Amino acid sequence: DAGVTQSPTHLIKTRGQQVTLRCSPKSGHDTVSWYQQALGQGPQFIFQYYEEEERQRGNFPDRFSGHQFPNYSSELNVNALLLGDSALYLCASSTLRRGLTNEKLFFGSGTQLSVL
Amino acid sequence: AQSVTQLDSHVSVSEGTPVLLRCNYSSSYSPSLFWYVQHPNKGLQLLLKYTSAATLVKGINGFEAEFKKSETSFHLTKPSAHMSDAAEYFCVVNIRGSQGNLIFGKGTKLSVKP
Repeated sequence: DAGVTQSPTHLIKTRGQQVTLRCSPKSGHDTVSWYQQALGQGPQFIFQYYEEEERQRGNFPDRFSGHQFPNYSSELNVNALLLGDSALYLCASSTLRRGLTNEKLFFGSGTQLSVL
Repeated sequence: AQSVTQLDSHVSVSEGTPVLLRCNYSSSYSPSLFWYVQHPNKGLQLLLKYTSAATLVKGINGFEAEFKKSETSFHLTKPSAHMSDAAEYFCVVNIRGSQGNLIFGKGTKLSVKP
């Protein structure tokens, strides 16, 4: 049973470019949350997707957008990259359909994004 | 508003000695509290969680934490450190039963000396 998988593992972009990160949730999970972890900091919540809709959003600008597909996988898109967007981006999956909450989150290993 | 404060950014212990990682929380509602561990190049792993059933919570790898409402604390302990415990540890808070996001502390890096 595969856990949460993220791709790519590492990515280098330049300022102003756009990037797409991908996440496949753990088998049986229907909810995907994205977190940004800057160097030396704890992860910060970006947004959460369930039933292909954004359900909750943290304090991130509109440059950060996402999508969830019918198979529950998800993408995180960041436009007009800034140097400050350099971070580890973590995907976490859970299931709301079965009534479980964030108390059953499983995290992927993350995508390390470097913006030059 | 909810928040967590991890009181030490770095803790260093010798192998075989006790571990204490300190965390204070702030929450307007009944909180759920968690400790996560992050090893280099690996995802976050849940160590243990408090959701009101018992104030002393036992987790994986010999770790445990005690919820003290009067002190708004949720410190993580382990009787005897092992070299493999060296990692970054995060204290996390969430409104119990909420579908909302997790709020992470800044982390405590645990070093274990041989």
